[in-house]
Amino acid sequence: QVQLVQSGAEVKKPGASVKVSCKASGYSFMNYNINWVRQATGQGLEWMGWMNPNSGMIDYAQRFQGRIQMTRNTSTNTAYMELSSLISEDTAIYYCARIEGPWGQGTQVSVSS
Amino acid sequence: DIQMTQSPSTLSASVGDIVTITCRASQSISTWVAWYQQKSGKAPKLLIYKASSLESGVPSRFSGRGSGTEFTLTIISLQPDDVATYYCQQYNPFSPWTFGQGTKVEIK
Repeated sequence: QVQLVQSGAEVKKPGASVKVSCKASGYSFMNYNINWVRQATGQGLEWMGWMNPNSGMIDYAQRFQGRIQMTRNTSTNTAYMELSSLISEDTAIYYCARIEGPWGQGTQVSVSS
Repeated sequence: DIQMTQSPSTLSASVGDIVTITCRASQSISTWVAWYQQKSGKAPKLLIYKASSLESGVPSRFSGRGSGTEFTLTIISLQPDDVATYYCQQYNPFSPWTFGQGTKVEIK
């Protein structure tokens, strides 16, 4: 079945970077954009951006411009989201998601000194 | 960005009741709306896409309606398993995704 499986939880210090992976299976990876959404504890859903696995085209939410990068490895059907210059407010669960499709199980990223 | 205003923020109803959640978009978005169910500690689960299409495997007591700026999610005959937070999402092409604030559904 269509599935997105994400990498495990991360603990980072302020100022560091984190890279989360999202492995797709059960469908043609190249045919659907991968979006990234995050959710702080007890809060709503915040869209971060999308990447087209076929072309590599990306679109980032304005508030993350300059410290976010989305990439992919088409040989392993895996998408990546890297967020740099982390602050405590970046502590959240990060999800990859396909349009009109499933979401990954989420990756907890904790930022603490 | 397109704003999605969702109401109510919380909802308490009895088993078997009909429950309706509403989302209003700040501009017309045709039928580019999805509805998600999120249970505690879990990822959001797609229920409805393109405003009214039921995702495979989702019980038929869930239904969606609307187009333009007004959208509803209805649960007919609320079940204990439906306790969750529900989110609307707009995915108008060439626009950033945005979500409603969420509706927490509880059983009386």
